Amino acid sequence: DAKTTQPPSMDCAEGRAANLPCNHSTISGNEYVYWYRQIHSQGPQYIIHGLKNNETNEMASLIITEDRKSSTLILPHATLRDTAVYYCIVRVANSGNTPLVFGKGTRLSVIA
Amino acid sequence: DVKVTQSSRYLVKRTGEKVFLECVQDMDHENMFWYRQDPGLGLRLIYFSYDVKMKEKGDIPEGYSVSREKKERFSLILESASTNQTSMYLCASRIGGGNTGELFFGEGSRLTVL
Repeated sequence: DAKTTQPPSMDCAEGRAANLPCNHSTISGNEYVYWYRQIHSQGPQYIIHGLKNNETNEMASLIITEDRKSSTLILPHATLRDTAVYYCIVRVANSGNTPLVFGKGTRLSVIA
Repeated sequence: DVKVTQSSRYLVKRTGEKVFLECVQDMDHENMFWYRQDPGLGLRLIYFSYDVKMKEKGDIPEGYSVSREKKERFSLILESASTNQTSMYLCASRIGGGNTGELFFGEGSRLTVL
């Protein structure tokens, strides 16, 4: 699976959009981009995933560049409860039972 | 709601003790995983299982073993606990096969070995 690079930390004002970047310049054509987050003292939680089209769900939007070498997770109106570590992961589609590999993620602090 | 339940949130054990960490999922998932999480090191995969009685080593299996006798239960065993196994342990499960299914995590078990 391709390697990802994320900034170690970011701040965001409450109510503003939080834009979390992820670089995955070695991504291959059949690798999906996944985002998870981990709130303090809890297990990680799935947010969203995508292949090449932009995706949106009730939690967030995922914007993937046309060359697929980077992506951005957008929390449109960040709240204090969105303070967490956010993990960007790439994984080969149809890779069967192989596990996800988590990096160190981005620690997002939402500030009142 | 889907649920992954880890038997203990907090445990304190002594060096040399045998430790069992239990994980149960109610989603009929084939795949189950054990990770440990340490400050500055992120989540590291210890073992995983893609079916009953099947197991595969992850990145850091040394000092650990696992048991998957039933589909819903995946146990992590520390045969002789050591202080460097003090950590947060996270269990996860996922539908198996060639899919992009999400991982569901438990709340974690924080183990302290004295």
